[in-house]
Amino acid sequence: GAVVSQHPSRVICKSGTSVKIECRSLDFQATTMFWYRQFPKQSLMLMATSNEGSKATYEQGVEKDKFLINHASLTLSTLTVTSAHPEDSSFYICSALVGEGSNQPQHFGDGTRLSIL
Amino acid sequence: ILNVEQSPQSLHVQEGDSTNFTCSFPSSNFYALHWYRWETAKSPEALFVMTLNGDEKKKGRISATLNTKEGYSYLYIKGSQPEDSATYLCAFSNDYKLSFGAGTTVTVRA
Repeated sequence: GAVVSQHPSRVICKSGTSVKIECRSLDFQATTMFWYRQFPKQSLMLMATSNEGSKATYEQGVEKDKFLINHASLTLSTLTVTSAHPEDSSFYICSALVGEGSNQPQHFGDGTRLSIL
Repeated sequence: ILNVEQSPQSLHVQEGDSTNFTCSFPSSNFYALHWYRWETAKSPEALFVMTLNGDEKKKGRISATLNTKEGYSYLYIKGSQPEDSATYLCAFSNDYKLSFGAGTTVTVRA
């Protein structure tokens, strides 16, 4: 149980393109999902918390107009990297909570490797 | 940004040997400490969520301890097997958000 599917797994596109990444909870409902970014040799860094039916909460230094998050249903959150540039190239991964509270594990997707040429 | 450090960054262990590594985290405003195993080309898998000082948790040959007063956790692998090769992440929570360490990459040699 608690399977999270993330798509696509890899994207290579030209500078200026907008890229949408989907994160789906397959066998549970997720009111809260998280989006992380990981640069090489660094730790997973939380970008934003996605809440179903409300605006996402962004971490300090993350541009909300650059990284658009939509959590329109209890099983789907999307991250759109708008007008992507080479510095946006990174590994993006989502996770979801089954229950509430900090003592619940997060369930992760497989991640998306984004390369902007 | 909360400072979560894992040591060592990587280690090699012979099949059958036991090993351990550490995670240090802020000792104030503690809610929970998570451990995840992340195998190449897969998603991170939750191992443990620990909340109480002195907690010890076990899953098969893997176990973890927690000291919230001094801000560290140990992860132990007993009798390492090739399938234990992975990056082990710890994450500190002072609410529902997680701050991750950079991970310890374990390579088990047959």
